[in-house]
Amino acid sequence: NAGVTQTPKFQVLKTGQSMTLQCAQDMNHEYMSWYRQDPGMGLRLIHYSVGAGITDQGEVPNGYNVSRSTTEDFPLRLLSAAPSQTSVYFCASSYGRENEKLFFGSGTQLSVL
Amino acid sequence: ILNVEQSPQSLHVQEGDSTNFTCSFPSSNFYALHWYRWETAKSPEALFVMTLNGDEKKKGRISATLNTKEGYSYLYIKGSQPEDSATYLCAFSRGTSYGKLTFGQGTILTVHP
Repeated sequence: NAGVTQTPKFQVLKTGQSMTLQCAQDMNHEYMSWYRQDPGMGLRLIHYSVGAGITDQGEVPNGYNVSRSTTEDFPLRLLSAAPSQTSVYFCASSYGRENEKLFFGSGTQLSVL
Repeated sequence: ILNVEQSPQSLHVQEGDSTNFTCSFPSSNFYALHWYRWETAKSPEALFVMTLNGDEKKKGRISATLNTKEGYSYLYIKGSQPEDSATYLCAFSRGTSYGKLTFGQGTILTVHP
C-alpha cells in the first residue's frame, strides 16, 4: 500500500518558471490538501479538495492552482514561480469524516532562485 | 484566519520525565482537534483526532484531553524517552465539514538521555 505519493522530492526553479507538484493517493480518500512549511510558520494550508471536481482555497492560495479530476490525484501548479514560494510542500489526504486523521506524503523541497 | 496557539514552543526534558503541552483554539463552532508527531526528516504522523468535549485518548505513554468549551487540548507524555524527541503539532477545524484544517506552530520536544 503506497499511501500518499509526492513527486518530485527536490526541485530548483528559476523565477518565472512553472511547474507542477504531483500528489497521488491509493486509499480512496475524498479529502486531499496541500500545505507549505516555512521556518517558524507551521504548516499553512494552500488549497484543499473534498472530492473529485471540488476544490477550495486555504490560507495562502495566491500563486498556486489546483484541480481534482480524479479521486486519486491532486496536483499543485505554480504558474510563475517566485522566491517567496521557496518552501517545503506537503500533500495530505483523509477520508474526510470528522474523526479521520490526515495521511501525509514525504514532502517536496522547492527552491526558487 | 483561525489562531491555533501551542505552548511551549520548545521543551528540553531528561529521559524518564513526564511532560505536557498545550494547544489553544477558538471555542466557537468546533469540529475536530488533531495531534500529530513530526520527526526530523520524516512526514507528520497522526497521534489522535478528537471531536467531543471531554474526549480523552491514549496511545502507549502518550495521552490527550480535549475541552471544547474553553478551547484547549493537552498532550501528555509519561516517562519520556529519547525516541519521543519530535515536533508535536495540533490542528483545528470548525464548521460542519472537514474543510480547512489549521495547524499550530508546534512544540519541539527534545528528550536527553
